[in-house]
Amino acid sequence: AAGVIQSPRHLIKEKRETATLKCYPIPRHDTVYWYQQGPGQDPQFLISFYEKMQSDKGSIPDRFSAQQFSDYHSELNMSSLELGDSALYFCASSAPGTGGTGELFFGEGSRLTVL
Amino acid sequence: AQSVAQPEDQVNVAEGNPLTVKCTYSVSGNPYLFWYVQYPNRGLQFLLKYITGDNLVKGSYGFEAEFNKSQTSFHLKKPSALVSDSALYFCAVRPYRAAGNKLTFGGGTRVLVKP
Repeated sequence: AAGVIQSPRHLIKEKRETATLKCYPIPRHDTVYWYQQGPGQDPQFLISFYEKMQSDKGSIPDRFSAQQFSDYHSELNMSSLELGDSALYFCASSAPGTGGTGELFFGEGSRLTVL
Repeated sequence: AQSVAQPEDQVNVAEGNPLTVKCTYSVSGNPYLFWYVQYPNRGLQFLLKYITGDNLVKGSYGFEAEFNKSQTSFHLKKPSALVSDSALYFCAVRPYRAAGNKLTFGGGTRVLVKP
């Protein structure tokens, strides 16, 4: 079965650089979520999109932005990177019609290291 | 605002013994509750969820969880643990009819099953 695809899996950047993470949800899933997981931390919700519109916003820094495209893939853009941005970034998707009851399907994550 | 507490950072259990991972939650109204498992450098995998109905829910890999409304708990259990169950376990909550579908995660409990 198709899963959530994230790219790149690993990314190394310098401070103040920019990074873009991509997420391809499971086909026909209409909602995409972004989470950030620091070392030894639980995943923290950043932002979500439903049918290409932002549906919820969490602890996403102003330096970050995201969008969902017409093919439902999503991109997380991170600028002016800081050391503290080093983390595992997860994308997840959920199926249509499940509302709040549906589980999230997570990708394998993109590990960002800021030097 | 909703929150999840996992009081144990780590649980050690011998293979073949029962495994319990504790979770308590705080949310306005009825909760939707989830358990996820994470293996090293991997994404979160869905185990089971409670939405409504029977308080005992069964999930993947022989895991089950019991919803207790009076104690606001949703403990994860497995009658006979395997070494391969060693992983990081996250409890998560989503309020009923909450705006947005984001999950709020607990801090995680590391399970170590010894042969």
